Amino acid sequence: RKEVEQDPGPFNVPEGATVAFNCTYSNSASQSFFWYRQDCRKEPKLLMSVYSSGNEDGRFTAQLNRASQYISLLIRDSKLSDSATYLCVVNAHTGGFKTIFGAGTRLFVKA
Amino acid sequence: DTGVSQDPRHKITKRGQNVTFRCDPISEHNRLYWYRQTLGQGPEFLTYFQNEAQLEKSRLLSDRFSAERPKGSFSTLEIQRTEQGDSAMYLCASSLAGARETQYFGPGTRLLVL
Repeated sequence: RKEVEQDPGPFNVPEGATVAFNCTYSNSASQSFFWYRQDCRKEPKLLMSVYSSGNEDGRFTAQLNRASQYISLLIRDSKLSDSATYLCVVNAHTGGFKTIFGAGTRLFVKA
Repeated sequence: DTGVSQDPRHKITKRGQNVTFRCDPISEHNRLYWYRQTLGQGPEFLTYFQNEAQLEKSRLLSDRFSAERPKGSFSTLEIQRTEQGDSAMYLCASSLAGARETQYFGPGTRLLVL
C-alpha cells in the first residue's frame, strides 16, 4: 500500500463545476499536510496548507480528518486555468523526517 | 528573482557518464531537499539537508548518487555512471524549518540518459 494515495483521475469537468479530490495517508504520525498544484512539465507550486480546522482560500477549500487519515480539496466554480495535476503532500516526523507526495490527480476543465 | 533556482535546466548524457546538478535555495531557508520525478508520478524524496548537514537519505539514493551542501547554501547532486533508468526530472526544494514548514520548488533539471 502506498503511503499517500490519490485517485489519479483524470477528472473532466465543465467550467463552473465543483470538483472534489481525496487523499488518504497511512502514517498516523503524519504532522503537516499540503496541496500542491503542478502544471505540465513545470515544478510543483504550493496551493494551500491543510489545517485540522479546515481552511478556505477563495474558491479552494481543504479539509483534514486525522481520525480517518484523509485529506480533501474542493474547488468551486472551476476555471479553465484550474486544469493541472493536484498533489497531496504529507510530512511525517517518525525516527526521521519524511515528505511523501501522492501520485497526483489530473484535472481537465473544459469550456 | 529570489526563488529556488536550478542549473542546468536540461541535461542529455550518454550512459556511463557522470552528471552534476546545482540548486540555489531561497537565501534565508535552512532546509534543502532533492526529489526525483518520473512521468505520471509525484516527486519521490531523495535526500535533505539542514544547513550543511545531510539528515536523511532515501533508499532510492543508490551509491551512485551523492549530494552535498558544503556551506549550507547551494547544493549539488551528482550521479555517477548514469543509467537509462536515471532519466527523470530532478527537483530541488527549500524551506525554513518550523511547525508550518512549507517547501518551495525550483524549476527542476530534466535528465535524459541515452
